[in-house]
Amino acid sequence: QSALTQPASVSGSPGQSITISCTGTSSDVGKYNLVSWYQHHPGKAPKLMIYEGSKRPSGFSNHFSGSKSGNTASLTISGLQAEDEADYYCCSYAGSSTYVFGTGTKVTVL
Amino acid sequence: QLQLQESGPGLVKPSETLSLTCTVSGGSISSSSYYWGWIRQPPGKGLEWIGYIYYSGGTYYNPSLKSRVTISVDTSKNQFSLKLSSVTAADTAVYYCATYITATASFDYWGQGTLVTVSS
Repeated sequence: QSALTQPASVSGSPGQSITISCTGTSSDVGKYNLVSWYQHHPGKAPKLMIYEGSKRPSGFSNHFSGSKSGNTASLTISGLQAEDEADYYCCSYAGSSTYVFGTGTKVTVL
Repeated sequence: QLQLQESGPGLVKPSETLSLTCTVSGGSISSSSYYWGWIRQPPGKGLEWIGYIYYSGGTYYNPSLKSRVTISVDTSKNQFSLKLSSVTAADTAVYYCATYITATASFDYWGQGTLVTVSS
């Protein structure tokens, strides 16, 4: 079980859109539509942003969206805001009731 | 709304057993809606899923840690616990407890995390 691969960092200006990729294998991301995304401000509890690839928890902002193509899932942040600056992690079901997280991406708002 | 809080020693000696407890408030650990899990983050690294447990006792562990991990639940105290044996410096991490929901295959509520350092 290897960690899913994410870019170490992504940056953008306020109002721009950015996309974070999450690459796995045909045994996890590619096989199941069960990717979730978490926002993590250091020192705080991580927060669920997207589940089942593209669904948002109720009450959450729609400027976060998720998608998947093949073995790669993606998180898009539209209309980047200062408070979006954080670390982001993907997570995928990997079969046999096990899970694997991504390597994490630091988002910087310029 | 569920709240989770980790507690336990912040320093553990190599080869000893790391023990942490997660106290659940705002809901019952016997709820059929949730599994109760542990996730960790070594310094400067990403998150790693450790495992989770159902209130009735069913457990699921990361294959890479399975031989050293035990997760248990105490319904009378509304708590669940993590034990990791034979620790080394590589087990130094912030440990988070979290709820896992099978319906959405996601970790919905998280504790703030607690740093455990393995050092003599």
